[in-house]
Amino acid sequence: NAGVTQTPKFQVLKTGQSMTLQCAQDMNHNSMYWYRQDPGMGLRLIYYSASEGTTDKGEVPNGYNVSRLNKREFSLRLESAAPSQTSVYFCASSGGTTYNEQFFGPGTRLTVL
Amino acid sequence: AQSVTQLGSHVSVSEGALVLLRCNYSSSVPPYLFWYVQYPNQGLQLLLKYTSAATLVKGINGFEAEFKKSETSFHLTKPSAHMSDAAEYFCAVSGRGSQGNLIFGKGTKLSVKP
Repeated sequence: NAGVTQTPKFQVLKTGQSMTLQCAQDMNHNSMYWYRQDPGMGLRLIYYSASEGTTDKGEVPNGYNVSRLNKREFSLRLESAAPSQTSVYFCASSGGTTYNEQFFGPGTRLTVL
Repeated sequence: AQSVTQLGSHVSVSEGALVLLRCNYSSSVPPYLFWYVQYPNQGLQLLLKYTSAATLVKGINGFEAEFKKSETSFHLTKPSAHMSDAAEYFCAVSGRGSQGNLIFGKGTKLSVKP
């Protein structure tokens, strides 16, 4: 099993450009998550999807949109990238209960110039 | 509301010395607690989790953590540090009603000196 996969691994954008980060999991998990990681800030939740067909905002949703395409895939879209969105983005999945751990992908390192 | 505080953004120990990484939580419901490790340029990997079955939890790579309700703490320890333990460590909390969402601490970077 591949676990959680993310594409691309690295991306450089210019201010105002758009892009979609892709995430897929093969563990038949109900819940999926998008985080951003910035130095000294830990991980902050952008959006999550508790089940196929549902999405909810997390702590820092502004400037992002998500799509839960099916049970396996959860994408994150930046419509008009800003330098403040320079970060490392992680996708995660879990069984969805409060005691289920989350499994993380390898991350996408995004730079917005 | 839930929150996590990790004391010390950087901890440095000598190889063979005790590792102690501190985590205090705040939760209005019985918490579930997790420690994750992140090696450079990688995603997070679960070290151990507390789900109320036992207060002393053993994890991978010789790490363990003890849940102390009276101190609202879940500190991570390892008796003898190894060079390969150098990484960033994150404490996280979830609880009933959180839909499985985790609240992460800001992380503690562990350095191990030879």
